[in-house]
Amino acid sequence: RKEVEQDPGPFNVPEGATVAFNCTYSNSASQSFFWYRQDCRKEPKLLMSVYSSGNEDGRFTAQLNRASQYISLLIRDSKLSDSATYLCVVRNNAGNMLTFGGGTRLMVKP
Amino acid sequence: DGGITQSPKYLFRKEGQNVTLSCEQNLNHDAMYWYRQDPGQGLRLIYYSQIVNDFQKGDIAEGYSVSREKKESFPLTVTSAQKNPTAFYLCASSVGTVYGYTFGSGTRLTVV
Repeated sequence: RKEVEQDPGPFNVPEGATVAFNCTYSNSASQSFFWYRQDCRKEPKLLMSVYSSGNEDGRFTAQLNRASQYISLLIRDSKLSDSATYLCVVRNNAGNMLTFGGGTRLMVKP
Repeated sequence: DGGITQSPKYLFRKEGQNVTLSCEQNLNHDAMYWYRQDPGQGLRLIYYSQIVNDFQKGDIAEGYSVSREKKESFPLTVTSAQKNPTAFYLCASSVGTVYGYTFGSGTRLTVV
């Protein structure tokens, strides 16, 4: 089993739609969680950290479910510019490394 | 502005040739990392360094070598022993993983 698993997609949604991605992680002792965004042929960029209480940044909401070991990202009112690959990232329990999921590709259509 | 710079952006390697990818950061980060990304795939860790003069192998270190003589610099050499080096190479740095990593813009290596 991979340490961090994501549905690769693609998720094809119309503009204005709400879309949600889930990510599961295998190590119950994992400490920190992040969502990164990667545009085609570019480097990943930090989208948001994921806190235990859940957090929101504009149209983006991230949630953590420790009991079920999954992280979610919700995007409301999708824009064409949201088209990208979204990477789920987990910090290991030793605290010194991040593990990246394979990414979920989102395509927002007009 | 602080950041992490990778060069060159594109690199072509002949069979049997060693090439070195540059990674420099002025963020005063202690830790630096090298990842490889193949088309449509996730990031795979090649090497990482938590402190100057120390580095550790990642999941796919075979055919690669690194050095960390200065805090700011973490060059990656792709040796002729790496049989399938064509990929997108990403360098990252961090002050600590609580805040995530900052990535360079990557080097795209192609074997010709």
